[in-house]
Amino acid sequence: GAGVSQSPRYKVAKRGQDVALRCDPISGHVSLFWYQQALGQGPEFLTYFQNEAQLDKSGLPSDRFFAERPEGSVSTLKIQRTQQEDSAVYLCASSFRQETSGEHEQFFGPGTRLTVL
Amino acid sequence: AQSVSQHNHHVILSEAASLELGCNYSYGGTVNLFWYVQYPGQHLQLLLKYFSGDPLVKGIKGFEAEFIKSKFSFNLRKPSVQWSDTAEYFCAVCPYGGATNKLIFGTGTLLAVQP
Repeated sequence: GAGVSQSPRYKVAKRGQDVALRCDPISGHVSLFWYQQALGQGPEFLTYFQNEAQLDKSGLPSDRFFAERPEGSVSTLKIQRTQQEDSAVYLCASSFRQETSGEHEQFFGPGTRLTVL
Repeated sequence: AQSVSQHNHHVILSEAASLELGCNYSYGGTVNLFWYVQYPGQHLQLLLKYFSGDPLVKGIKGFEAEFIKSKFSFNLRKPSVQWSDTAEYFCAVCPYGGATNKLIFGTGTLLAVQP
């Protein structure tokens, strides 16, 4: 079956522009995560959805970052008034399980590489 | 704050050499542990995971990792590396029973295997 897909794969934005990054999780996966990976670093958690509910947004770096998953499947990460420090790879991951105990595995998409000029 | 340390940022080995990549985490409670791998041009893939039971975990492609609770470590090993193991390796921790299953990643280790 298909894995997690993300679009666009690459995005170049001028500083101050708004961008929208899309994630299509694996069908049937309840949990969806967004991570930000800066150059030379590991992924850092941004936000988490369980179906359509955004249960954790503690990792969003500022109020310019906004994520939604209105129908519990596709998710969009929006960054308003982009800044150079927003340049990074944005990763989406999905997981079948929703409970926090028991075994779980996150499946990652290829990421969107955002460059802000 | 919870954190994960990967001590080796770049490792260069010849084929057939043995590999050990270090991973230490800071969290006092129960954790779930993961190693992910990213091959050139590909996305992150799960290599192996530890939830409970035998602290020696075997993963894909001959990799294994040992969870040593007293040392807060989860080192990755492979007895004999191949050129195709060239990739970036990430250790990740998930505090057990938290509100979410978010992963806390280390900074990664870039492994280059020379033929």
